[in-house]
Order: sequence, then C-alpha cells, then structure tokens
Amino acid sequence: DAMVIQNPRYQVTQFGKPVTLSCSQTLNHNVMYWYQQKSSQAPKLLFHYYDKDFNNEADTPDNFQSRRPNTSFCFLDIRSPGLGDAAMYLCATSRAREGIRNQPQHFGDGTRLSIL
Amino acid sequence: AQSVTQPDIHITVSEGASLELRCNYSYGATPYLFWYVQSPGQGLQLLLKYFSGDTLVQGIKGFEAEFKRSQSSFNLRKPSVHWSDAAEYFCAVGAGNTDKLIFGTGTRLQVFP
Repeated sequence: DAMVIQNPRYQVTQFGKPVTLSCSQTLNHNVMYWYQQKSSQAPKLLFHYYDKDFNNEADTPDNFQSRRPNTSFCFLDIRSPGLGDAAMYLCATSRAREGIRNQPQHFGDGTRLSIL
Repeated sequence: AQSVTQPDIHITVSEGASLELRCNYSYGATPYLFWYVQSPGQGLQLLLKYFSGDTLVQGIKGFEAEFKRSQSSFNLRKPSVHWSDAAEYFCAVGAGNTDKLIFGTGTRLQVFP
C-alpha cells in the first residue's frame, strides 16, 4: 500500500545533541509537511515543501531545519534539542496542483522524541 | 483569518449510542473542511472531507458530517459508536490557497462498554 513512513518511531536524544528524523512516501505527492504535536494538542505546522520550495512557518524556531533531497524523502533536523522539543513529530503529504489546492493530507504514524 | 473551534474537549458516550462532535469554522469563502481521527501513538487518519456539492458527506468507519453554511458548522456524526472509536478527533479547514490546514484543538472521545 502507498503510504507515509516515519523512522524511527521512537527517538531518544540528549539535551543539545543534534537529531534527525526521517520521512519517506510512496504516494508521489509533491507537498510534504512536518508537524510538531505535544500531548493533548493539535498538530502545529513547522514547515512544508511545495515541490522543492521550502516554506517555513513564522514561529518555527531556528533550531528546526529541514531537507528534501528528492520527492520521496524529507528530513527534520533539530540542531540543539531542548527539553521543550520533546514531542511527537508528524510527517504528512498531499498532492497539490495549480488551481486545485487544499487537498487531503496523508500522515505517517509519527516519531516520538524524548530528550534526556 | 481562518480558524476552527471544537467546543468539546472531552466527550464520553456508551457503546452503541449516537455521537455528534461539533466543529465551527471561520472562513470568508467556501471552505475546504476535513475531519481526522488520531488513535493513541499514531498519526492522523482522514475520516472525510467536504469541498463542494452535497452538504452531507459520508466517510470511513460509518462516520458522516454535515456542512451548514448558515451556522458555519461541520459536525461529525455516527449513529452507533463502537469501542474502537475511542480516539482524538480533529476538525480542520484548508487555509485558502496555501496547501495548509488549520486544526481545531481536538475532541477526545471516550467510549464506555
């Protein structure tokens, strides 16, 4: 089945130690998103790629960066994780076309990040 | 600016009872509306969507939602809840021409046997 896959499902890192989360998709969707979700809250969009175009949310900390080397893969890099960055990180994809926007997003199962 | 309100933080129902989860949106034009469900430790799964046309939308797992422009609402319903429906439910609106979603704060559904 076509899907969005996030690895690892659980990630533990130390305070201040860089960490990378990965996302891959077999849907061939051109838009990929990274969300941060804390307990009992809605997902918060960090940034998204429309094809190769990177779109950062205004309130996303500089500590968070992303890479999209090709259509299928997208990475979330946290340069110096703080205790407040402990959360579930969700990757999502959608197929957007000129004139046909706001298509449904397909989510992976997330990576739960813990900071020691 | 677009916004989504889910007035109920937590709802408890008995298995077999009917369910309605409320969602109100604020958007100037015809909205793109979605309902997602999230089980513990998992990602969000799309239940249904409304783009245009028939205001009563059928989704997966026996859910439906009705778009009411006059009330700016998109409430989710299910006639008979199953224990496996216990989860967090998020209503979302498409944020204009941006490919982004604006989520409500979610409603946690608890189902008693």
